Amino acid sequence: AQSVAQPEDQVNVAEGNPLTVKCTYSVSGNPYLFWYVQYPNRGLQFLLKYITGDNLVKGSYGFEAEFNKSQTSFHLKKPSALVSDSALYFCAVRDTFKAAGNKLTFGGGTRVLVKP
Amino acid sequence: NAGVTQTPKFQVLKTGQSMTLQCAQDMNHEYMSWYRQDPGMGLRLIHYSVGAGITDQGEVPNGYNVSRSTTEDFPLRLLSAAPSQTSVYFCASSYSGLALTKAGELFFGEGSRLTVL
Repeated sequence: AQSVAQPEDQVNVAEGNPLTVKCTYSVSGNPYLFWYVQYPNRGLQFLLKYITGDNLVKGSYGFEAEFNKSQTSFHLKKPSALVSDSALYFCAVRDTFKAAGNKLTFGGGTRVLVKP
Repeated sequence: NAGVTQTPKFQVLKTGQSMTLQCAQDMNHEYMSWYRQDPGMGLRLIHYSVGAGITDQGEVPNGYNVSRSTTEDFPLRLLSAAPSQTSVYFCASSYSGLALTKAGELFFGEGSRLTVL
C-alpha cells in the first residue's frame, strides 16, 4: 500500500526566509503526489501536484515542490515566506489502482508558523 | 458557487445515538469521499464512491455506513456513536481522476465537528 511521511510536526520560519516542508513517499509504481494546505477551521485546499514530467512543479500562492525519485521525496518550498502562509500542510499520494478514482492517502501534517 | 456543503457544522451526541452527516456537491463530480481528521494523525479515509450506486471502504470504515443514490449527495451514517468517533469529518469530491490533468484535485467541505459523550 502507498504511504507518505512528514517527519516534522512543526516548522518555524521568519517572514522573508525560505520555507521547506518535507515529505517522503512509498508507492509501488509511478507516484502521483500532492500538497494541500489547511487554514484554521477550514477544509483542505489543493496547492500543487506531481504526475509526470518536470521534477520541479509550481503551484498556488508562490509554492513549488521538488520531486526526487532517488530519495523518494516531494518537499514543498517557498522562496520567501509570508505570515499568511502560517497553516497546516499535508502531503498526499494517490492510489495507483485506477478503479479507486482519486483516493488519496495523507501524511500526518506539518504545522508552519511564520513569524514577523 | 456552493462547492461542497457539509451539514451540520457542529454536533454533540451521546454514546449509542445514531446520526447522519450530510454532504452535497454541485460540481457534477463523480468521486466523493469522507475523511476524519484527528490530532497528530492527519486525515484518514472512511469511505469513498467513484459514482452513483458505487461505494467502497477506506482505511477506517468500522462504525460508519454510506450510500450514493445520486451524483450530488454522499451522506455518512454513524450507526451507534462511540467516544472514539469524536473527530472532525471532511467530505471531499473531485472529477473521476481518469484524466491526469484532474488527478488528485479534491475539493473539501468546511468540516463537521462531532463530539460523542
